[in-house]
Amino acid sequence: GAVVSQHPSWVICKSGTSVKIECRSLDFQATTMFWYRQFPKQSLMLMATSNEGSKATYEQGVEKDKFLINHASLTLSTLTVTSAHPEDSSFYICSAPNPGQGDYNEQFFGPGTRLTVL
Amino acid sequence: GQNIDQPTEMTATEGAIVQINCTYQTSGFNGLFWYQQHAGEAPTFLSYNVLDGLEEKGRFSSFLSRSKGYSYLLLKELQMKDSASYLCAAADSNYQLIWGAGTKLIIKP
Repeated sequence: GAVVSQHPSWVICKSGTSVKIECRSLDFQATTMFWYRQFPKQSLMLMATSNEGSKATYEQGVEKDKFLINHASLTLSTLTVTSAHPEDSSFYICSAPNPGQGDYNEQFFGPGTRLTVL
Repeated sequence: GQNIDQPTEMTATEGAIVQINCTYQTSGFNGLFWYQQHAGEAPTFLSYNVLDGLEEKGRFSSFLSRSKGYSYLLLKELQMKDSASYLCAAADSNYQLIWGAGTKLIIKP
């Protein structure tokens, strides 16, 4: 099946710094990727839809200037958390739709990135 | 509005059967997904239903009733490794997934 990787798996940073998270589709091309955030014991919350060749679409309440998304190629999307604060500490997960299923829209998830902001 | 409801937590015994229910309200409907998520890991796909009825896949089965806005995931012959959170997600008219909060399943020996 399709494989999505994320890097790094976990990161600890100081408040005020920026952190970049990469999401790669390893064996397929993804014109669309999704970025989720998950706080402990809560559901996945869609942050934004990353579109190759165009601007990302952000969900209501997500600051686009704080969470910068760049879909640089058909296999890579990056999420940069700028000026991170402790409340940004969370589990960030990316996913890409199954390329062979059409409207089926099964998503393949990356392994996630655990961000801790001190 | 759009909403997904599923129980917060369930407990079952190893070797038994458990049913996890999910009700949904979405703007349009393009299918119901079940994902399994172990603690600290990303979700993995279990099943997809878009037509009414039961889909069986090994020890796991998923049921959908579109008229009732209802689905369930049935796990048979429970194993300790089945301890995880089970996420229900419905695809709306734009194929965007609306996620439930997940049901934490605890398996006891």
